[in-house]
Amino acid sequence: ILNVEQSPQSLHVQEGDSTNFTCSFPSSNFYALHWYRWETAKSPEALFVMTLNGDEKKKGRISATLNTKEGYSYLYIKGSQPEDSATYLCAFQSNAGNMLTFGGGTRLMVKP
Amino acid sequence: DGGITQSPKYLFRKEGQNVTLSCEQNLNHDAMYWYRQDPGQGLRLIYYSQIVNDFQKGDIAEGYSVSREKKESFPLTVTSAQKNPTAFYLCASSSKYRETQYFGPGTRLLVL
Repeated sequence: ILNVEQSPQSLHVQEGDSTNFTCSFPSSNFYALHWYRWETAKSPEALFVMTLNGDEKKKGRISATLNTKEGYSYLYIKGSQPEDSATYLCAFQSNAGNMLTFGGGTRLMVKP
Repeated sequence: DGGITQSPKYLFRKEGQNVTLSCEQNLNHDAMYWYRQDPGQGLRLIYYSQIVNDFQKGDIAEGYSVSREKKESFPLTVTSAQKNPTAFYLCASSSKYRETQYFGPGTRLLVL
């Protein structure tokens, strides 16, 4: 079973703070790394799919980086807003089987 | 509107009873997936199907069964052999195997 870890498990920040969290995954047999945002009472929503070492992706105030050699990805949120409150999931996709293995998620709460 | 629907939102199971969770998509996606989420854990793959009339076991298939008779439908049956069925169940689909997955809103299964 593949080990995908996310840290921290939960995070409370004030509106306007910038924040980041980590996804660690196996550094071998890499195919892709996925980030999802999961708001309460909604479906998980795809944010990024990252495939190349050194990749950086950006969507509004959210960005992500990827290091496949050391097996980690960072998700950054600049100037957090209350609507950013959600659980952020990462999922590792290997080139052996291609199934997604999810981390436990980071729950972000942004206080107004 | 294109999307994935799951029903019911909440489902109660009695001891020894089989129950079926519905998942329908109108995205014309080939691949469909079932995941289970337990508190504090990541999503774990139960079953997946790459194409109609074909499906494969995921990491935790014991006590579950599926069928894929139509492209748009992938129902999951939780059998009496599943001793700990209480969880949140998410269905997902992707255009092709390996592509970004899109999720439904989920079904929460509770045992009476």
